[in-house]
This record gives sequence, structure tokens and C-alpha cells, in this order.
Amino acid sequence: AQRVTQPEKLLSVFKGAPVELKCNYSYSGSPELFWYVQYSRQRLQLLLRHISRESIKGFTADLNKGETSFHLKKPFAQEEDSAMYYCALSNRDDKIIFGKGTRLHILP
Amino acid sequence: NAGVTQTPKFQVLKTGQSMTLQCAQDMNHNSMYWYRQDPGMGLRLIYYSASEGTTDKGEVPNGYNVSRLNKREFSLRLESAAPSQTSVYFCASSGAGTGGVSRNQPQHFGDGTRLSIL
Repeated sequence: AQRVTQPEKLLSVFKGAPVELKCNYSYSGSPELFWYVQYSRQRLQLLLRHISRESIKGFTADLNKGETSFHLKKPFAQEEDSAMYYCALSNRDDKIIFGKGTRLHILP
Repeated sequence: NAGVTQTPKFQVLKTGQSMTLQCAQDMNHNSMYWYRQDPGMGLRLIYYSASEGTTDKGEVPNGYNVSRLNKREFSLRLESAAPSQTSVYFCASSGAGTGGVSRNQPQHFGDGTRLSIL
């Protein structure tokens, strides 16, 4: 079964501390993985995708096929990082399967 | 480019009423999607359309119908609204990447429609 699991509903981190949002997936094949972000009162937008191997707004995510994980990381949290984050997987049918999301709250 | 445009932004309905949520995209994308977003449930796919003239059920299609009117527009209809359909509805589209490969492209989302059923 294809599944994306985000174990934390809410993650609170102090400003300046490292951030790690966990994502695990279940997929029989080569996955295409994404992180989407939804800031307050804004639309969902793509943050990054694993195939690009880029850093956006200081965030990075590495695909670990052995652990079937795609955790999102940032070394130093900023207040503007407070948002809802969704990990997502694209399957062969071009549909995207979303995790339930993690709300990141940056404490001052 | 406006990207993905959804109307209306807010709507309150009574149980049993019908309505259609509109979605249009100006990015020439082939694929379009309707999701609902509920607290603790994340985003769940209602219906999607891989190309003009085709539609397929997603994870939670019951109580909804869709129409892919043309390449730009994909509407979602509630024939007889129920309180369980109170949610935020998002439309999204995705399209061809480099070399015309359309698979596994990221989705672009609209602003959402906040729908309350009383």
C-alpha cells in the first residue's frame, strides 16, 4: 500500500534551534517525494522535491531509501518558518498522496 | 499568470442544498485535482482529471461529482450537501515538465474554498 506518514501533528521549536520534520513512506517502486508548505492564510505551495536536491529557505530533505524516509531539516529555525508542512509522494498514476501534515510552531 | 483560481472563497449552505465549486488554471496543465482538507486528516483527494475529457475517483468521492469542462476548468459539485462535507476545498493542477514529461510534476494549488454546511 502507498502511504505517507508524518508522526508528529505539532512540533514546537525555539528560534535558532535545529528543525527536523519527519516523513516516512511506503511505496513499491522509485518514489518521487515532495515537501509542501502552507503558511497562515495562504495556499499550499511546493517547498522542495527530492529530485532537485536543492535547499529552499534553508530547508533540505534527503531521500533515504533504506529507511524509507524523507525528513525535512533546517539547521536554525526562524519565526517565519511557522506553518503547516506536508510530505507527499507521487505515484505512477500521477496522483500525489499527502501525509496528514505537521504544524511547525517556532517559539521566540 | 493567476495560476489556479477558485471561486467562491467562502460559502455557507443548508443541508440538502446544492452548489458547484469552480476552478480554473492558466498554466496549460493537463492534470487537475480536487482535495478536501480537514483537521488531523491532511489533504484527501476527492476526484482528479488526468486530461480533458477524463475524470477518476480519488480517496473520498462519495457525495461529489466533477466536470472537466475544458483544459482550463474543473468544477466540483455537491448535489445534496451534508454537514460532513464541511471542509476547506482545494483545487490543484500539474503539468508537463522538461521534454514534455507530465508525470510526477509538482502540483499548483488554489487559495481554497471554505465551505460550511449547516
